[in-house]
Amino acid sequence: DAKTTQPPSMDCAEGRAANLPCNHSTISGNEYVYWYRQIHSQGPQYIIHGLKNNETNEMASLIITEDRKSSTLILPHATLRDTAVYYCIVRAPRSNDYKLSFGAGTTVTVRA
Amino acid sequence: NAGVTQTPKFRVLKTGQSMTLLCAQDMNHEYMYWYRQDPGMGLRLIHYSVGEGTTAKGEVPDGYNVSRLKKQNFLLGLESAAPSQTSVYFCASSYSLRDRAYEQYFGPGTRLTVT
Repeated sequence: DAKTTQPPSMDCAEGRAANLPCNHSTISGNEYVYWYRQIHSQGPQYIIHGLKNNETNEMASLIITEDRKSSTLILPHATLRDTAVYYCIVRAPRSNDYKLSFGAGTTVTVRA
Repeated sequence: NAGVTQTPKFRVLKTGQSMTLLCAQDMNHEYMYWYRQDPGMGLRLIHYSVGEGTTAKGEVPDGYNVSRLKKQNFLLGLESAAPSQTSVYFCASSYSLRDRAYEQYFGPGTRLTVT
């Protein structure tokens, strides 16, 4: 699976959009980009995933560049409850290999 | 929908004792997983199941057994607990479709301490 690079931390003001970047310059054609987050002392939470088109759901939007070498997770109106570690993961569907491996992620702190 | 639930939330065991962790999901997911998370180690997959009556080993299966007798339940057993098994245990579930197998929904975790 392609390696991902994320900034270690970022701050965001409550009510503003939070834009979380992820670099995956070695991504291959069949690899998807997944985003998860983990709020302190809770289980990881799936946010969104995509292959090449931009995706939106009730939690966030995922913007993938045309060359697919990077992506941005957008939390449109950050709240204090969005403070968490956010993980960008690149995975290709493979039988008998379903594990998720989180890297260091980006620690996002939403400030009032 | 409750999503993924785990029982118990906390447990303290003495070395050599046994216990079973219960995971239940109400999303009709085919696939279920058990992970452990240790500080500085990230998530590690213990065992997983791709359907009722089937289980498979993950990265760190030693010392654990699992069973999936019903589609909605996935049990993790520790036969003889060791201090190295002190960890937070997460259960997760997902659909079986290709890319959606990595769209995993996690429970709140069980914090286990083995003394």
